[in-house]
Amino acid sequence: KQEVTQIPAALSVPEGENLVLNCSFTDSAIYNLQWFRQDPGKGLTSLLLIQSSQREQTSGRLNASLDKSSGRSTLYIAASQPGDSATYLCAVNIDYGQNFVFGPGTRLSVLP
Amino acid sequence: NAGVTQTPKFQVLKTGQSMTLQCAQDMNHEYMSWYRQDPGMGLRLIHYSVGAGITDQGEVPNGYNVSRSTTEDFPLRLLSAAPSQTSVYFCASSRLGELFFGEGSRLTVL
Repeated sequence: KQEVTQIPAALSVPEGENLVLNCSFTDSAIYNLQWFRQDPGKGLTSLLLIQSSQREQTSGRLNASLDKSSGRSTLYIAASQPGDSATYLCAVNIDYGQNFVFGPGTRLSVLP
Repeated sequence: NAGVTQTPKFQVLKTGQSMTLQCAQDMNHEYMSWYRQDPGMGLRLIHYSVGAGITDQGEVPNGYNVSRSTTEDFPLRLLSAAPSQTSVYFCASSRLGELFFGEGSRLTVL
């Protein structure tokens, strides 16, 4: 059974720091991996989608990498801002559009 | 530019009552799903559908019913609400393995 973990569970950094969030999965047979952001009381907003054949994806200050063989993905946030404060979740797609397994999330606080 | 729309956003029920959470998407996605999100439990799949007329159970289907008569709509029915169903419910649709979520429906069962 696929299991997804995220480390750390919570992170607090001063504004301007570069930071890395980690996502690990137990079964490398995935179709893609997606990173989401969730603000308190809100839905999940898609940040980046990495297909299994890709190594990384970039969007603005965000860069996500994928190492399928080792079961790891990282989300790199450059020059963090207070507006980046949110919970970040990763999810792996294990059955091309039908089955997604989510990690528990990392709660990020960026202090002004 | 609506995406995935859920209604209602908030609902309070008494134990034993029934209700339907509505979900609609305007992106012509074949795949739709319902999740519940609870503290410490993460997101758990309740039911999903790969197209009109086709539904299947997820990880936690008991106490919930779904149907998919059109591509756009995927309602979730609570048959007889229980306090254990107090949660935040999210509807999602998917295309090419990318998930898009609604804003969520917060349900409290007293």
